[in-house]
Amino acid sequence: DAGITQSPRHKVTETGTPVTLRCHQTENHRYMYWYRQDPGHGLRLIHYSYGVKDTDKGEVSDGYSVSRSKTEDFLLTLESATSSQTSVYFCAIRRLAGTPNEQFFGPGTRLTVL
Amino acid sequence: GNSVTQMEGPVTLSEEAFLTINCTYTATGYPSLFWYVQYPGEGLQLLLKATKADDKGSNKGFEATYRKETTSFHLEKGSVQVSDSAVYFCALSDQGSGGSNYKLTFGKGTLLTVNP
Repeated sequence: DAGITQSPRHKVTETGTPVTLRCHQTENHRYMYWYRQDPGHGLRLIHYSYGVKDTDKGEVSDGYSVSRSKTEDFLLTLESATSSQTSVYFCAIRRLAGTPNEQFFGPGTRLTVL
Repeated sequence: GNSVTQMEGPVTLSEEAFLTINCTYTATGYPSLFWYVQYPGEGLQLLLKATKADDKGSNKGFEATYRKETTSFHLEKGSVQVSDSAVYFCALSDQGSGGSNYKLTFGKGTLLTVNP
């Protein structure tokens, strides 16, 4: 257990509305990641952070923004949700100890955009 | 860029059958390789890992060997149980050089169903 929580766990929203998903970690990890999971695609990286206020894009970043104002929270925002953003979103952290490129995942948020 | 190809599912087996899920990869340098498992309604859990060529990762009766010559990391288990029913993901991570920050690249996942 890497102390990762995600909120909300489920959300239904309408096209065009803004949505913010939160990832919270309790172990002070520097690296955090947001992925989306879709059938036939596996998990794809949206954005990641390597420190407070330090973020970068992943392979499917269009339509998403992120913010990290403190170590424990990494927020993913859909400025204007579209039906193509219906997905399950996972947050992950990377520990610097042990195997450095091993990531641990949160429980996920299921988002439905109508 | 990096990529992971794993066998298409779904895979359906009877309890105590032998399991193989194939995984091959394309990457520069010397990536680390992982198998993650996702049980119904849950997040991903790391199942096993290997960080260099010829390493064998193992956990819960599952094994996979890092084969650099064939760029493969096939998952095997000698006798599956109903409780092994899940989605299995093969993944690789680069070595973090050049600002890549150890990003994971995943395969598309393989759904395994084990019947009693």
